[in-house]
Amino acid sequence: DTGVSQDPRHKITKRGQNVTFRCDPISEHNRLYWYRQTLGQGPEFLTYFQNEAQLEKSRLLSDRFSAERPKGSFSTLEIQRTEQGDSAMYLCASSLAQSGDTIYFGEGSWLTVV
Amino acid sequence: GDSVTQMEGPVTLSEEAFLTINCTYTATGYPSLFWYVQYPGEGLQLLLKATKADDKGSNKGFEATYRKETTSFHLEKGSVQVSDSAVYFCALNRGSTLGRLYFGRGTQLTVWP
Repeated sequence: DTGVSQDPRHKITKRGQNVTFRCDPISEHNRLYWYRQTLGQGPEFLTYFQNEAQLEKSRLLSDRFSAERPKGSFSTLEIQRTEQGDSAMYLCASSLAQSGDTIYFGEGSWLTVV
Repeated sequence: GDSVTQMEGPVTLSEEAFLTINCTYTATGYPSLFWYVQYPGEGLQLLLKATKADDKGSNKGFEATYRKETTSFHLEKGSVQVSDSAVYFCALNRGSTLGRLYFGRGTQLTVWP
């Protein structure tokens, strides 16, 4: 069990550019979640997948954000036409549906939009 | 809607002092309750959880009891250490069929030697 892995850990990008983050969940976990955390705040839910199906999306997930989990394993979160307000830490987490209460987080991907 | 309210920080304590971080929640039904800890520059680690009323979660000397009558899940530790310095988040989840965790804003704890 290597834990939830995220890449890259840090990304600095210019406003208007596109960025993509990758998440590799714990290998046997079929649920995968994305959260966003800004400084001084708790994480806010963005979206989650069960296997390859995206089951829920927050209203925080604007049209510029898209998440995929094509084979039910790793996931990507893409942000198009980045804005300064997108600067945050993007956290990925995973769990087993059978014990869905316990969610394990990765170390996060920091995004800075300049 | 569902929400979690946490005690505002920062909290500063001397080593071996007693710690309490207050957490109250609003939710329909019977949520599961959690405390997560975040060390500088890292993601969140599950510290403890409780899934029904009167359950006590415990881990690494930390404890929290699920009190449905007061809708609370306060975190306590009898004797804190410098290594406990971190941000602590209270969170709830309304059952295994729902994916999302609702988090409080977090409480920064600093412990001085």
